[in-house]
Amino acid sequence: QKEVEQDPGPLSVPEGAIVSLNCTYSNSAFQYFMWYRQYSRKGPELLMYTYSSGNKEDGRFTAQVDKSSKYISLFIRDSQPSDSATYLCAMSRRSDKLIFGTGTRLQVFP
Amino acid sequence: SAVISQKPSRDICQRGTSLTIQCQVDSQVTMMFWYRQQPGQSLTLIATANQGSEATYESGFVIDKFPISRPNLTFSTLTVSNMSPEDSSIYLCSVESFTLGGYTFGSGTRLTVV
Repeated sequence: QKEVEQDPGPLSVPEGAIVSLNCTYSNSAFQYFMWYRQYSRKGPELLMYTYSSGNKEDGRFTAQVDKSSKYISLFIRDSQPSDSATYLCAMSRRSDKLIFGTGTRLQVFP
Repeated sequence: SAVISQKPSRDICQRGTSLTIQCQVDSQVTMMFWYRQQPGQSLTLIATANQGSEATYESGFVIDKFPISRPNLTFSTLTVSNMSPEDSSIYLCSVESFTLGGYTFGSGTRLTVV
């Protein structure tokens, strides 16, 4: 069993839709949770960073962490074609390496 | 957050040769991380590079194949040695982002071995 599981997609939605991206994990020691966006032929770009459980909002993006269920989510409101990319979840224990999900490919069509 | 310059951005290399990838950060950082992203795959940590000490390699990666230098707090290199087509990947460096939280990545080096 992988430490972090992420549906690879692809996920195809119309412009303006609400997108939900999810990851599950098995290691209860994870404390730091991140979402990255990666455009084709580019490095990952940090979107959201969350410590422990709870919600965090930044513009159209909301990150949720439920440590009791070992489940994290990223919501994108009013999705735009420019949001088309691969979204990677990542997490770590304190002062430890990042463990990445496999990434979900998102396509937002006009 | 830190800005990372990574080069080359891409290269096509003959099997059996070596390529050195450079990573320059615009601020001093203690740890730098090197990742590999194989086609269609997620990121896998190769090693952690601390200034003034030997790099720490993850399981499945060895120093002879991926030697790393870390001469100062803003610079590191990763060499992919004796390359084979299986080494064709994107290689990325990363540093911890204390202002944003999380980790910042360079734009990556797309390596193709023929």
